[in-house]
Amino acid sequence: NAGVTQTPKFRILKIGQSMTLQCAQDMNHNYMYWYRQDPGMGLKLIYYSVGAGITDKGEVPNGYNVSRSTTEDFPLRLELAAPSQTSVYFCASSYGTGNEQFFGPGTRLTVL
Amino acid sequence: DQQVKQNSPSLSVQEGRISILNCDYTNSMFDYFLWYKKYPAEGPTFLISISSIKDKNEDGRFTVFLNKSAKHLSLHIVPSQPGDSAVYFCAAIGPGAGSYQLTFGKGTKLSVIP
Repeated sequence: NAGVTQTPKFRILKIGQSMTLQCAQDMNHNYMYWYRQDPGMGLKLIYYSVGAGITDKGEVPNGYNVSRSTTEDFPLRLELAAPSQTSVYFCASSYGTGNEQFFGPGTRLTVL
Repeated sequence: DQQVKQNSPSLSVQEGRISILNCDYTNSMFDYFLWYKKYPAEGPTFLISISSIKDKNEDGRFTVFLNKSAKHLSLHIVPSQPGDSAVYFCAAIGPGAGSYQLTFGKGTKLSVIP
């Protein structure tokens, strides 16, 4: 099992550009999540999904969009990148609520 | 408003001694607590958890204690090893609409000195 995989590992964007962060899991988990971690801070939830076709906002959703067309994939879309979106992004999945979440290795994004 | 607080940004401990990492929370609706460990350039990995109906959970060298009345939990690592050097995050989850969301503390960086 590869677990949770994320691509790319690093990316530099210019202000106003857009990109998609990819996330995939092979554990057949229904629940998937996107977090961001700013320096010296804990992780904050951006969006989550409880199954294919179902997504909902977390604590900090502004400037992001997600889709969940399959159980395995949960891409995060950034439209009109801003310096405030410079962060490390982690994707995670879990079997259910209240269960441990398994995290990917992260994508370090810099917006200049 | 931080609902999960880790007030010690860093902690240094001698190899073989006990490491105690602390976490406080403000939301009394939280009913499940987790500790995650994070190495640089990696994602967090689950370490140990505890339900609010318990006051202690043990897994090998790791023990988590929960004091509900004080809204406080702690992670004990005995004996500490150099490989335990990492950032430790406390996280909480609650019932209802917020139950999908892990609320994280800011983390405590543990350094175990050989």
